Amino acid sequence: QVHLVESGGGVVQPGRSLRLSCAASGFTFSSYSMHWVRQAPGKGLEWVAIMWYDGSHMYYVDSVKGRFTISRDNSKNTLYLQMNSLRAEDMAVYYCAREELERRFFDIWGQGTMVTVSS
Amino acid sequence: QSALTQPASVSGSPGQSITISCTGTSSDVGGYNYVSWYQRHPGKAPKVMIYDVSKRPSGISNRFSGSKSGNTASLTISGLQAEDEADYYCCSYAGSSNYVFGSGTKVTVL
Repeated sequence: QVHLVESGGGVVQPGRSLRLSCAASGFTFSSYSMHWVRQAPGKGLEWVAIMWYDGSHMYYVDSVKGRFTISRDNSKNTLYLQMNSLRAEDMAVYYCAREELERRFFDIWGQGTMVTVSS
Repeated sequence: QSALTQPASVSGSPGQSITISCTGTSSDVGGYNYVSWYQRHPGKAPKVMIYDVSKRPSGISNRFSGSKSGNTASLTISGLQAEDEADYYCCSYAGSSNYVFGSGTKVTVL
C-alpha cells in the first residue's frame, strides 16, 4: 500500500531551525517528484516546494526562498525539508505529497506534521 | 503567487447540485489545463477529486465534475450527499514547477 508519513514537527522558537522528513513506502520513490504543502491555522493550503524525481531541480514559493531547503534521499525513500530562520507565519501543518512525473497534480498525501513557531 | 479565489462556503441540500468556483489569472488557471481539486475532511489528508481540469481519478464518483472557462475553473458536485461535506481546494500549475492553491471552500450539506 502506498504511504507517506511525515515526521519532525514540533515547537520551535522564531529564528531557529527544524528538519521535516517524509518516509515513502509502497511505490518506486525515485520515479516521482515530491512536494511539501502547508496549511497554517485557519488558512488554506499553500504549496511550499518541489523536488524533481531525480533531485536535479527544486523550486520554492517566494516566501520561503533562501530559508527552506528541500532534499531527498532516494536510497532511503525519504524526502526532507530543512527549515531555517523560522517565522511565526511558518507555523502550519506540513504535508508531503507525490506527483507522477509532470502530471501536475498530487495523487498521494501524507497525514501531515505540525510545526509551531512560538517564543 | 497569490492564492486562487474561492467562495468561503457553499451549501446545498441532499440530492442537489452545487458548484465551487476558482478564479485565478492568465498565469495560472487561464494559462494551463492543469487545474486539480482536493477534498479534505477534518483531520484527514487531502484527496484528489479532479485533475487536468476535468478528469476523475479511478475510484472517484462521477458526481464530481470539473470545467474551466478563461481564468475561472469550477467543481460541480451533483446529487449532494452527507459525506461530501468537507473543505475543497482548487490548485493550478503556475509554470516553472510552481503551483498555487485556492483559498478553500467549506461545503455544508443542509
